[in-house]
Amino acid sequence: DTGVSQNPRHKITKRGQNVTFRCDPISEHNRLYWYRQTLGQGPEFLTYFQNEAQLEKSRLLSDRFSAERPKGSFSTLEIQRTEQGDSAMYLCASSLPLAEEEKLFFGSGTQLSVL
Amino acid sequence: EDQVTQSPEALRLQEGESSSLNCSYTVSGLRGLFWYRQDPGKGPEFLFTLYSAGEEKEKERLKATLTKKESFLHITAPKPEDSATYLCAVRSRGGYNKLIFGAGTRLAVHP
Repeated sequence: DTGVSQNPRHKITKRGQNVTFRCDPISEHNRLYWYRQTLGQGPEFLTYFQNEAQLEKSRLLSDRFSAERPKGSFSTLEIQRTEQGDSAMYLCASSLPLAEEEKLFFGSGTQLSVL
Repeated sequence: EDQVTQSPEALRLQEGESSSLNCSYTVSGLRGLFWYRQDPGKGPEFLFTLYSAGEEKEKERLKATLTKKESFLHITAPKPEDSATYLCAVRSRGGYNKLIFGAGTRLAVHP
């Protein structure tokens, strides 16, 4: 068990470019979540997958954001036409259904800077 | 709308000086209140889950309690390694499994 892995750790891009982040959850975890966190704030929910099905998506998520989880394994989060307001830490988490205390295991995140 | 408010925003303690962090919440049917610890540059790390008023959980120098409106994280005789941001989150009966987080309390423990 190596924990939740996120790549890249840091991404610097210019406004208007597209970026894609990858998350590899803990192998037996079928639940996967994406959160966004800005400085001085708590994580904000973006979307939730159970296996390959995207079951919930935040109303705050614009059409420029899309997430996938093919075959219920790793997940990708893509941001199209990035804006400076997209600068944040993007966190991925995974969990087991009916797990003790329903704990989420978070990765170390991808820090996005949009110039 | 589900909401979580944490206080204070920041707290500075001397090593050994006990204190409490507060988490006030409004939620449409509580399905769990969660405490996480976050170190700089890392993702949150799970500490506790509380489900009903009156419930308490302990881990080393930390103790979490829950009422119908708020939760407290008590830190007894803290050490410098307890310095971190402590996040509170709630899960409601609406929706699936998303957590609504507060902004956190930044704790600094000085020797």
